[in-house]
Amino acid sequence: QKEVEQNSGPLSVPEGAIASLNCTYSDRVSQSFFWYRQYSGKSPELIMSIYSNGDKEDGRFTAQLNKASQYVSLLIRDSQPSDSATYLCAVLTDSGYALNFGKGTSLLVTP
Amino acid sequence: DAGVIQSPRHEVTEMGQEVTLRCKPISGHDYLFWYRQTMMRGLELLIYFNNNVPIDDSGMPEDRFSAKMPNASFSTLKIQPSEPRDSAVYFCASRSEGGQETQYFGPGTRLLVL
Repeated sequence: QKEVEQNSGPLSVPEGAIASLNCTYSDRVSQSFFWYRQYSGKSPELIMSIYSNGDKEDGRFTAQLNKASQYVSLLIRDSQPSDSATYLCAVLTDSGYALNFGKGTSLLVTP
Repeated sequence: DAGVIQSPRHEVTEMGQEVTLRCKPISGHDYLFWYRQTMMRGLELLIYFNNNVPIDDSGMPEDRFSAKMPNASFSTLKIQPSEPRDSAVYFCASRSEGGQETQYFGPGTRLLVL
């Protein structure tokens, strides 16, 4: 079973700070990576995808990928209480269609 | 578009009973996925379909679980007989063949087996 590992948290950051969420994966040939946000009692929703080494920015979110280290991260700048949720890292399997998810990191942004 | 639709949203049943979960994917999407989420195991892929054909069912836990997709707009996940350890949230998701690889999730069915 190819693994996607995340620290379960909770990660607690004050409002306005940068939240840093990390993910490692075991399949070296993986090419596509995703971050989903899941609010309590709700379904996952995609917030970022990244395919190339380096950084990808979208508003307050930055995804970072390092394929050599098999490491993906998500930075949330100017964190807001509404960002409090579980963040799921997902890796596209070699099927090209199915996703392998980590167990998620719980983020709490305190006012 | 209404998004992925799942029913029922909540199901409480007794051990040994048959449970049927239903999913309507987004119109035009070629792929449909069934996931199960628990605190212990996280979000696990059970099975997925392409153009109504099951492609990979290696995540189906055992023979008590079965899934069908009789047409492009409907899929079922059946558990027979149900056991308490099947209690979880079951999500259906769909995506299109081309474009971005985004999977869109339904609201989920929260299943409790007593």
